[in-house]
Amino acid sequence: SQQGEEDPQALSIQEGENATMNCSYKTSINNLQWYRQNSGRGLVHLILIRSNEREKHSGRLRVTLDTSKKSSSLLITASRAADTASYFCATDENYGQNFVFGPGTRLSVLP
Amino acid sequence: EAEVAQSPRYKITEKSQAVAFWCDPISGHATLYWYRQILGQGPELLVQFQDESVVDDSQLPKDRFSAERLKGVDSTLKIQPAELGDSAMYLCASSLQRNLLYEQYFGPGTRLTVT
Repeated sequence: SQQGEEDPQALSIQEGENATMNCSYKTSINNLQWYRQNSGRGLVHLILIRSNEREKHSGRLRVTLDTSKKSSSLLITASRAADTASYFCATDENYGQNFVFGPGTRLSVLP
Repeated sequence: EAEVAQSPRYKITEKSQAVAFWCDPISGHATLYWYRQILGQGPELLVQFQDESVVDDSQLPKDRFSAERLKGVDSTLKIQPAELGDSAMYLCASSLQRNLLYEQYFGPGTRLTVT
């Protein structure tokens, strides 16, 4: 069963703009991760945030987690054409040990 | 940099035929995952191995799918017989341990088309 739900489903922005994607989940989690997938390729891990953390940064990425709202956001600042990809959140279901991926947000960064 | 290897990259098969996919995880990774990804959707976990043991195959359609990791290293996923609805990307991933603090490393996937 897929738990994480990203929105928007698709996002199109100009190079240099910021992109924000959101993920919601239904049950309590230990960890939430964000992955990127270029068209027709495997997924690449971006960042992990634990349930006791509220915000993490990695380069141009900023992830927030609000466990009271069961939601997370991924912000990509100063976007580049190379950021064009699908972005997925993944959670562990009911403190379990299996990743559940959401349907993803397709980001298009136009030059 | 070590990578997860998968083969074949593309497979076209007729329905009712058997098909097999192979995955070689990163050396030293105890946990291996097989996912199915339908176009436009997120990956769905099919089976998870810890070393050579299956620890979760609750989403694996066991009437037609099977998976093994005999020596706790590489793994094979088989579909027999294939159905039209099995057309998807099959992704293999590995991680150091079965702990979600560890990131998963994904292979390039096998694109299956069933005709």
